[in-house]
This record gives sequence, C-alpha cells and structure tokens, in this order.
Amino acid sequence: QKEVEQNSGPLSVPEGAIASLNCTYSDRGSQSFFWYRQYSGKSPELIMSIYSNGDKEDGRFTAQLNKASQYVSLLIRDSQPSDSATYLCAVMDSNYQLIWGAGTKLIIKP
Amino acid sequence: KAGVTQTPRYLIKTRGQQVTLSCSPISGHRSVSWYQQTPGQGLQFLFEYFSETQRNKGNFPGRFSGRQFSNSRSEMNVSTLELGDSALYLCASSSGQAPGYTFGSGTRLTVV
Repeated sequence: QKEVEQNSGPLSVPEGAIASLNCTYSDRGSQSFFWYRQYSGKSPELIMSIYSNGDKEDGRFTAQLNKASQYVSLLIRDSQPSDSATYLCAVMDSNYQLIWGAGTKLIIKP
Repeated sequence: KAGVTQTPRYLIKTRGQQVTLSCSPISGHRSVSWYQQTPGQGLQFLFEYFSETQRNKGNFPGRFSGRQFSNSRSEMNVSTLELGDSALYLCASSSGQAPGYTFGSGTRLTVV
C-alpha cells in the first residue's frame, strides 16, 4: 500500500515566522511532488510542484525534496494569517497515480 | 480561460436514490479525476479518466461509477445512496503535461 504521511496538526505559527510542513512517502519510484492549499469550505489549489532533489522557491514558498530520505517539505516565510489553511501533499507514484496525504492544518496567529 | 466546472454545487438526496454529478474540465485537458472528501477521511480517490477510458480506480464499491465523453466532460454516478456517501465530491482536470491538477469547486452531496 503506497502511502503519503503528513502530521495532521494543527501547526500553530506566529505571524511573520517560518512555517515548516513535512511529508514522507513510501514509493521510491515517485517522480513528481505537489503541495496544495485548501481553505475551509474551498477546493484544493496547487501552490508548488517539485521534481528534482533540492529546493525550489516561489515567492514566500520554498519546496524541498530529498528522494534518498523520501521526504518533501514546504516552507512558508513571513507567514501571514491568510496562510491559515490545510496543506495537502500529493505524490505521483511510479504508476502515475496521485497519492494524497491527509493534510496538515496550519494556523497563523496574529 | 474557464476553470473546472462542477454541477450542481449542492444536492440533497434520500437514502436509496441515485445521483449523477457532472464535471467539465479546463479546455484542452483530457484527464479528469474524481475525489470524495469527508472531514474524517481526507481526499479519497475514486477514479481517473483519460480520453474516455478509465485509467485508474480507487477502492470504492461498484455503486460508484463514472464515464467520460469525447469532449472530455465527465460524469460520476452513485446508485443506492447511503448516509455515508454524504461528502464533498471534487473533480480535477489535468493536461497530463503541465504540473498538477486543477480542482473544481465541488459538489456537496447530503444524503438524508
């Protein structure tokens, strides 16, 4: 059973600090990794994708991938209250099927 | 560019009835996936269609079925509804080339 694991949280971070969200996956053949943000009552929206080891930055967001350790993380710098949401990690496995984590609820405290 | 359109937005059905949900993907997207989301279970994969063929299927009973038309629009059907089928049903489309999926706003189904 291929799995993607995330800490369900809630993760509480002060405004202006760095929020760090982590995700581990079981299928070593996975090649594509995604972070989605889902506000309460809304549908998920793609915020980052990463395919190779290392860091990928987009504005305040940085995705980090370590295939040897089978983890992917998302850093949010200068966290804002509007970043409060559930963050879903999704991994495309070796069969090109998207496997989802259960999500981490992030709360940014003003 | 229009996004993924799901209809209807809300549905209330009685146990034992059947329901059909519709999804129109982004123009040019040939892959459509369906998900069930409940507070306790997160996103559960139902099935994926690509060019009118079911490419992947999740672990749901046969009461859940779907299809895709030649214009890439997709429908999912749930027969003999149960109370536990109450959930948000999300459709997502992908071009298969650009990264990730784009989700529709979902259909919230309530079974009473």
